Amino acid sequence: AQSVTQLDSHVSVSEGTPVLLRCNYSSSYSPSLFWYVQHPNKGLQLLLKYTSAATLVKGINGFEAEFKKSETSFHLTKPSAHMSDAAEYFCVVSPTDNTGKLIFGQGTTLQVKP
Amino acid sequence: NAGVMQNPRHLVRRRGQEARLRCSPMKGHSHVYWYRQLPEEGLKFMVYLQKENIIDESGMPKERFSAEFPKEGPSILRIQQVVRGDSAAYFCASSPYGTYTDTQYFGPGTRLTVL
Repeated sequence: AQSVTQLDSHVSVSEGTPVLLRCNYSSSYSPSLFWYVQHPNKGLQLLLKYTSAATLVKGINGFEAEFKKSETSFHLTKPSAHMSDAAEYFCVVSPTDNTGKLIFGQGTTLQVKP
Repeated sequence: NAGVMQNPRHLVRRRGQEARLRCSPMKGHSHVYWYRQLPEEGLKFMVYLQKENIIDESGMPKERFSAEFPKEGPSILRIQQVVRGDSAAYFCASSPYGTYTDTQYFGPGTRLTVL
């Protein structure tokens, strides 16, 4: 069975410092992996996705993630946090069985302090 | 190209009433998915539909919940005889091809409150 685990429920950084949001997945095959962001009371916006091409994926707003098969990880990073990055972030796996069921992690709340 | 539309954005119902949530997918998308987000939790898959067909409803509660995506018009998620535990945010997503590499684009959600 496929699953995804976000290792931190809450991350706090200062504005201008790096961001690291950790995600591990479990899958028998190479799945597609996504990071979505959700601002308070809003819908979900796609940050980036991995679909077995380049292992380093660049997304919007300066975010990027690296797919590491040996570590079954897909951590999200950003070199310098902005206040506007404060939100809930979800790591998501799309299983290869094409059922359409995205499997969401529990989410990581990113707090950015001035 | 308009995004995924959901209405209403907020819905208040009393216990025992019916709730109808609507979702219009992005233009050109024929695959629709419904997810539920309970407070302080991630999203959980409910149902996957294509036009006039339910492809996978393994995440739907066995009773009171139903979904459809008719040939014309939006997809509807219907909850009969709502209970307080149904209070949640319900998100609809759509995709063009339905494959596992597809991006699902999400609507703004409908926040259901059951009094």
